[in-house]
Amino acid sequence: KAGVTQTPRYLIKTRGQQVTLSCSPISGHRSVSWYQQTPGQGLQFLFEYFSETQRNKGNFPGRFSGRQFSNSRSEMNVSTLELGDSALYLCASSFSYPGTEGYTFGSGTRLTVV
Amino acid sequence: GENVEQHPSTLSVQEGDSAVIKCTYSDSASNYFPWYKQELGKRPQLIIDIRSNVGEKKDQRIAVTLNKTAKHFSLHITETQPEDSAVYFCAPNMYSGGGADGLTFGKGTHLIIQP
Repeated sequence: KAGVTQTPRYLIKTRGQQVTLSCSPISGHRSVSWYQQTPGQGLQFLFEYFSETQRNKGNFPGRFSGRQFSNSRSEMNVSTLELGDSALYLCASSFSYPGTEGYTFGSGTRLTVV
Repeated sequence: GENVEQHPSTLSVQEGDSAVIKCTYSDSASNYFPWYKQELGKRPQLIIDIRSNVGEKKDQRIAVTLNKTAKHFSLHITETQPEDSAVYFCAPNMYSGGGADGLTFGKGTHLIIQP
């Protein structure tokens, strides 16, 4: 059974640009959530999708957005990139919402903004 | 929302000794309490979880205990081994069926196993 797949693994972008990250959940999982991980702030929740609907949103500016497709794959978009957006972006999938059987994480996308 | 605190932030123990990490949360409606382990350069992985109708759960060398009255739960690792070196995160959450605020992680505990 394939795990959670995130693409790309690494990205370098210039300040002001926009970026789209992709997450393919484990087959059969319908919930996808996104997290930003930085050394200073730890793991911070961005948003969670289930059945193509955003169920929850963390405390991030509107530049951060996402969506989920009918096959449960999810994308996250960050517009007008800032230096402080440099981080590891992790997605996690779960069979149900809420995921009380736990979440499985992908390996992440390392975004560097220069 | 959920206010989560994890202690200690760094824990160094001798190989073979036990380690205990505590997680304190604020939302009394929280009813699901997982622990995740993240090794250097790798993804977080669920290692054990407990639900509010259970006080303790054990899986080989790891265990989780829950004190709902005091709003804290702890991760216990016995007979520590080098492969236990990692950052451990707690993520208590409310799952009432009416919606949740997503996973709220503690800041993490860096566990170092000294040979």
